[in-house]
This record gives sequence, structure tokens and C-alpha cells, in this order.
Amino acid sequence: AQSVSQHNHHVILSEAASLELGCNYSYGGTVNLFWYVQYPGQHLQLLLKYFSGDPLVKGIKGFEAEFIKSKFSFNLRKPSVQWSDTAEYFCAVNANNAGNMLTFGGGTRLMVKP
Amino acid sequence: DAGITQSPRYKITETGRQVTLMCHQTWSHSYMFWYRQDLGHGLRLIYYSAAADITDKGEVPDGYVVSRSKTENFPLTLESATRSQTSVYFCASSVRGNTEAFFGQGTRLTVV
Repeated sequence: AQSVSQHNHHVILSEAASLELGCNYSYGGTVNLFWYVQYPGQHLQLLLKYFSGDPLVKGIKGFEAEFIKSKFSFNLRKPSVQWSDTAEYFCAVNANNAGNMLTFGGGTRLMVKP
Repeated sequence: DAGITQSPRYKITETGRQVTLMCHQTWSHSYMFWYRQDLGHGLRLIYYSAAADITDKGEVPDGYVVSRSKTENFPLTLESATRSQTSVYFCASSVRGNTEAFFGQGTRLTVV
């Protein structure tokens, strides 16, 4: 079964600091990869996705993620965070042999101090 | 642009009662999903549906029942609610199962 690990459960940063959130998955075949964000009290929204092509993908609000196949990773980055980035971030993976299910990581709660 | 709506937004019920959470989408997406969100577990898939009258178990289906008689609706029923089912439930839909999923606002269910 596919699994997704987000090793940072809580991250606290000051505004303007750089952000990198780790995401590792267990499946070795073809994967579709996603990062979702959940602002306090709201539903999940898509930040960015990777299906194929350029392994560096850019999403909304200045976020980007890099797919490194050899490391089974899809880390999320932002050069300079803002207070409004305070949210929970979820990595999700769909592996081709896992049917039509998205498997989510446990989430990372980011708090940005003004 | 109604998108995907869940009702109710908040529900308190007693142990042993049957509860149904509603989910409605206006995009005619083929796939619909139910997840529960719990601290430390992220989102876990309960059930999903590839089309009307086609449903499949996810990671944590025990104690839940789903149906999909119409493409736009995907209700989730807790047949006999237990305290361990206290959670936030999210419904989602997608064009295909492996593409971007769109989420509803969630239903916060408390079982007392």
C-alpha cells in the first residue's frame, strides 16, 4: 500500500523566512503528486500538482515544489513566508496501481509569526 | 458557482444513533470521496465512488455506509455512531480519480 510521510508536524517561522516542508512517499512507480493547504476553519485547497514533465512545479501564492524521483520526495518551498501563510499543509499522492485513491500525509501545521 | 456543498456543517449526536452527512456537487464530476480528518492522522479515505451506483471502500470504511443513486449526491451514513467517529468529515469530487480533488467545507461531527 502506498504511504505518505510528512516529517515536520509543526513548523514555526517568522515572516520573510524561507520555508521547506518535506514529503516522502513509498511507491516506486508512476505517481501524481499534490500539495493542499487548509487555512484555519476552511476546506482544503490545491496549492500545486505534479503529473509529469518539469519536476519543479510552481503553484499559487508563490509556492513551488520539486519532485525528486530518486528520493521519492516532493518537498514544498516558499522563499519568503507571510503571516497569511499560517495554515496546515498536506501532501497527497496517487500511485497508478493504487486505483483512484489519493493518499494524504499527516499534515504540517505552519505558524508564521508577524 | 456552488461547487461542492456539505450539510450539516456541525452536528452533535448521541452514541448509537444513525447519522447521515450530505454531500452535493454541481460539476457532474464522476468521482466523489469521503474523508475524515483527525489530529495526527491527516485525512483518511472512508469510501469513494467512481460513478453513480459504483462505490468502493477506502482505508477506514468500518461503521460507515454510502450510496450514490445520482451523480451529484454522495451521502455518508453512520449506522450506529460511536465516539471514535467524532471527527471532521470532508467530501470531495474530481473529474477522474487521480486528478485534482475539490473539497467541501467539511462537517464537524461530535458523538457524545
